[in-house]
Amino acid sequence: GAVVSQHPSWVICKSGTSVKIECRSLDFQATTMFWYRQFPKQSLMLMATSNEGSKATYEQGVEKDKFLINHASLTLSTLTVTSAHPEDSSFYICSARWAGVDTEAFFGQGTRLTVV
Amino acid sequence: DAKTTQPPSMDCAEGRAANLPCNHSTISGNEYVYWYRQIHSQGPQYIIHGLKNNETNEMASLIITEDRKSSTLILPHATLRDTAVYYCIVRYGGSQGNLIFGKGTKLSVKP
Repeated sequence: GAVVSQHPSWVICKSGTSVKIECRSLDFQATTMFWYRQFPKQSLMLMATSNEGSKATYEQGVEKDKFLINHASLTLSTLTVTSAHPEDSSFYICSARWAGVDTEAFFGQGTRLTVV
Repeated sequence: DAKTTQPPSMDCAEGRAANLPCNHSTISGNEYVYWYRQIHSQGPQYIIHGLKNNETNEMASLIITEDRKSSTLILPHATLRDTAVYYCIVRYGGSQGNLIFGKGTKLSVKP
């Protein structure tokens, strides 16, 4: 299957600082990218959907000013957690898909964020 | 909300077939059935998807009932490395369709 690379795999940051997570599609052009968050022992929760060159669409309850998403190219999307707090500690996962009716989405390996 | 119902957990003996059921009674005509799995602390891995017909690839087979209200994922010869949470997801076939994850089935393959 296609490869989606996420970086970093884990990060520890101080409360109040910002953290940027990168998601790259290595061997295909991702017209749509998705960002998920997963708390321990829970399922993945969709945070936002972004299409290349346009603003992200956030799911209800997700603060767009706190979770900044940029999808400036067909191979790169970034998620910036601004002014991080301990409750933002979670497993963040991106996925990417190319245009098409029934194309599958491929997932990155995830980023473990710990805010101390 | 997820539009599928799966048993929370299942066990399977190593080397035997693992049959994972999924109910999606409200599926519409243009929605596909996707299966992903997640091994602990990793991103989900795509397994297979289908619309109406049964599908098979190198990983698994997908059997969809004629009325499309349920499906079964079959891992023909389960190994210990198949222990994971398996998610059945229905997704609108358009380019904007999202993957909404439910709680999935925790499959434990035992020696």
